[in-house]
Amino acid sequence: NAGVMQNPRHLVRRRGQEARLRCSPMKGHSHVYWYRQLPEEGLKFMVYLQKENIIDESGMPKERFSAEFPKEGPSILRIQQVVRGDSAAYFCASSPPETADSNQPQHFGDGTRLSIL
Amino acid sequence: AQSVTQPDIHITVSEGASLELRCNYSYGATPYLFWYVQSPGQGLQLLLKYFSGDTLVQGIKGFEAEFKRSQSSFNLRKPSVHWSDAAEYFCAVGAWTGNQFYFGTGTSLTVIP
Repeated sequence: NAGVMQNPRHLVRRRGQEARLRCSPMKGHSHVYWYRQLPEEGLKFMVYLQKENIIDESGMPKERFSAEFPKEGPSILRIQQVVRGDSAAYFCASSPPETADSNQPQHFGDGTRLSIL
Repeated sequence: AQSVTQPDIHITVSEGASLELRCNYSYGATPYLFWYVQSPGQGLQLLLKYFSGDTLVQGIKGFEAEFKRSQSSFNLRKPSVHWSDAAEYFCAVGAWTGNQFYFGTGTSLTVIP
């Protein structure tokens, strides 16, 4: 059973470009969470999605950032017109439906390291 | 407000010595508590978790943690550290699922021979 898959592992963009980060949850998982890790900081929650729905986006910057989790395909975190301050590691986690048995609530991917030139 | 505090930013211990990493939390409901380890350039690996029952929980790699409700703490311990334990350690609190986790800022562990 493959874990949470994130790609790319590393992404380099120039200021003003768009960054698209992908996350494929574990099989059977319908909940996806995105976190951002800035240097020397812990992980900060950004957004929580279920299939085709944004449940909680309280941690998302109001501008330039968006997320989706379509019925088919991976979850996408999109950053438009990137700036140097967007440089960070972005982690995706997934969890099963609340009624499912699980010994681990959120499974994390290996992250995407975004660097802005 | 929900939050997690890891007061030690960086700890250095000798190989074979004991280790304790501190974690204090603030959470409005009954917390689920977690410790994760992150090796450089890697994702998060769950070391152990607590949500009820025995307040001393055992995890992988010889780690254990003790939940103390009166102190709002969930400190991580290991009796004898190995060089391979060098990594970043994160304490987190949250609901079981369907909600975000709150992470501490992490403690970086260096192990010297």
